[in-house]
Amino acid sequence: GAVVSQHPSRVICKSGTSVKIECRSLDFQATTMFWYRQFPKQSLMLMATSNEGSKATYEQGVEKDKFLINHASLTLSTLTVTSAHPEDSSFYICSARPTGAGNTIYFGEGSWLTVV
Amino acid sequence: EDQVTQSPEALRLQEGESSSLNCSYTVSGLRGLFWYRQDPGKGPEFLFTLYSAGEEKEKERLKATLTKKESFLHITAPKPEDSATYLCAVQGLNQGGKLIFGQGTELSVKP
Repeated sequence: GAVVSQHPSRVICKSGTSVKIECRSLDFQATTMFWYRQFPKQSLMLMATSNEGSKATYEQGVEKDKFLINHASLTLSTLTVTSAHPEDSSFYICSARPTGAGNTIYFGEGSWLTVV
Repeated sequence: EDQVTQSPEALRLQEGESSSLNCSYTVSGLRGLFWYRQDPGKGPEFLFTLYSAGEEKEKERLKATLTKKESFLHITAPKPEDSATYLCAVQGLNQGGKLIFGQGTELSVKP
């Protein structure tokens, strides 16, 4: 099956620093990847859509200068949380849609970010 | 605006007690409806994609059905290992492939 890998799975950073989360599609190419955020006991909230080789499209209310997304290749997208604050602490999940292979979207295991 | 509502929010079953989860949706044009399973602290695991009213798909003890307004996830003779949160999501036409999720149904199956 299609595998999406996220790294790191858990990260703790100090307030004011930046942290990068990687999302890789291991056995398929993905022109499009998506980044979600999930708070405890809540559903997934779409943050942005990233397309390989172009700028990400951010959902309303998501600060593009704070959550930098780069999709430099067909198998890798990165999310950088800049100048992190405790309120940015959350579970971040990426997903990927295999290029030219239907509409199914596969999710990574998620990354827990704690800002102290 | 595309919207997904799942019910119930939480469901407790005894092992072997069959039941159904509901997903009601409104979307301007449906490309697909998706069911995922999510275990605590993990990313969603893909279960099914349904594309048109009347379609049904099965996997082990799970069966998903679709109408023009809602989808059901039927669980037959559940086991404790089926305990998880089940998420429903819709993908609209001309939306770039993004998924709109419901709040999920937290299923607990007791032995």
